[in-house]
Parts: sequence; C-alpha cells; structure tokens
Amino acid sequence: GESVGLHLPTLSVQEGDNSIINCAYSNSASDYFIWYKQESGKGPQFIIDIRSNMDKRQGQRVTVLLNKTVKHLSLQIAATQPGDSAVYFCAENAGGTSYGKLTFGQGTILTVHP
Amino acid sequence: GAGVSQSPSNKVTEKGKDVELRCDPISGHTALYWYRQSLGQGLEFLIYFQGNSAPDKSGLPSDRFSAERTGGSVSTLTIQRTQQEDSAVYLCASSLALGFGPGTRLTVL
Repeated sequence: GESVGLHLPTLSVQEGDNSIINCAYSNSASDYFIWYKQESGKGPQFIIDIRSNMDKRQGQRVTVLLNKTVKHLSLQIAATQPGDSAVYFCAENAGGTSYGKLTFGQGTILTVHP
Repeated sequence: GAGVSQSPSNKVTEKGKDVELRCDPISGHTALYWYRQSLGQGLEFLIYFQGNSAPDKSGLPSDRFSAERTGGSVSTLTIQRTQQEDSAVYLCASSLALGFGPGTRLTVL
C-alpha cells in the first residue's frame, strides 16, 4: 500500500546548527501534511503543518517545505537546541472521507549535542 | 488548560484477557482519534470519531477491537481476547493539530 517514509533514521547535529529532516510520500492524493515531535514517554506533539496548495510554511524556528512534484516533505529546524532532541514523524492525510486518518512515516531520531 | 489524558498509563495482561483503555479528550473537542504505536508497525490509525457522525472504524485490525464514545466525550477502546501482537502504546488525540495524549502502554504476556 502507499506509505510515507523517511530516508534517514538518525540525525546527529551540534547545538546551534540547522537541522533538516526529510520525508518521502507516495500518495499523490494527500493534501495535508503534519510534522510531529515525540519525546521519550510522551505522545507525538504537533510542530507544524502544511496544505498541498502551499510549498512553504514557517513557524517559530521551524520551516516545512513541500515539493509535490517529487512528493517530498522536509522539516528545517534553525539553531537546533538540545531540547530539540526527539523522534520526528511526518504524516500525511488524503482528506475527504479519509480525514482523521494519518499515515505516518517511520520517524527520524534527532540528537543534538551541546 | 488540560490536554488529552489517558488511563491507565501502563497495562499488563495475560493473553486471552479483555482490556479497556480510556481517553479523556480536551473539553469541548468534538473529534477523537485512536492510534497505536508499535515497534514493528510504527504509528497506525485505528478509529476516528467526529461529533455524532458514525465513527470511521477502518483502521481497527480485527473484530476483537472496538471503541465507543459516551456522551460525545470520554472514549473507551476495548480489546477482547488479547494477543501478544496487540502489545503497543495506544494513543489518543482530540485534535491532530495539537497532538496526542501520553498513551497507554499495553503489554500482553
């Protein structure tokens, strides 16, 4: 079946560096995408989302880029901090009758070294 | 305000027993989502409630799984005759744009 996948399972960066986490998706019908952050012992928490009518969206220290041509999503974290260390998931939704059903990627472990 | 709460936080049961997992959504939220997270399968959709509409049950893996939402608020996920492959963290959310509760870690021995 169609799925969302991450190319890199782990990413290690130094504090202050910028981090980029990538995600490939295969469902061309997906029109809504979310990035979540999951810390140990907690449920995934929303970071930022983007709809398919946009190619870029910025939040506080985070930017999501969407390239529908190659079905690629990325999360950029500026000035990465040790508190950013977590597992990051991308998720896609095809909307319509599928609203509420997110398909998640496998996750990327981000480790930030002080 | 309070976020989504789930209980119990941990549940250990024996194979073949029934379990009930509870989710208390954020007050006033009409939607409620159940997902599970396991090592082998990652995060998977189970069921979605929206207001008084019929729930989307398309993610429930077998007829041993059921969920109800009483009074449009609290939801209970029931797993009958538990199997070892049911072991996972069961997560609940009332807004995908906020995130999930802390989950219930279910271990089936």
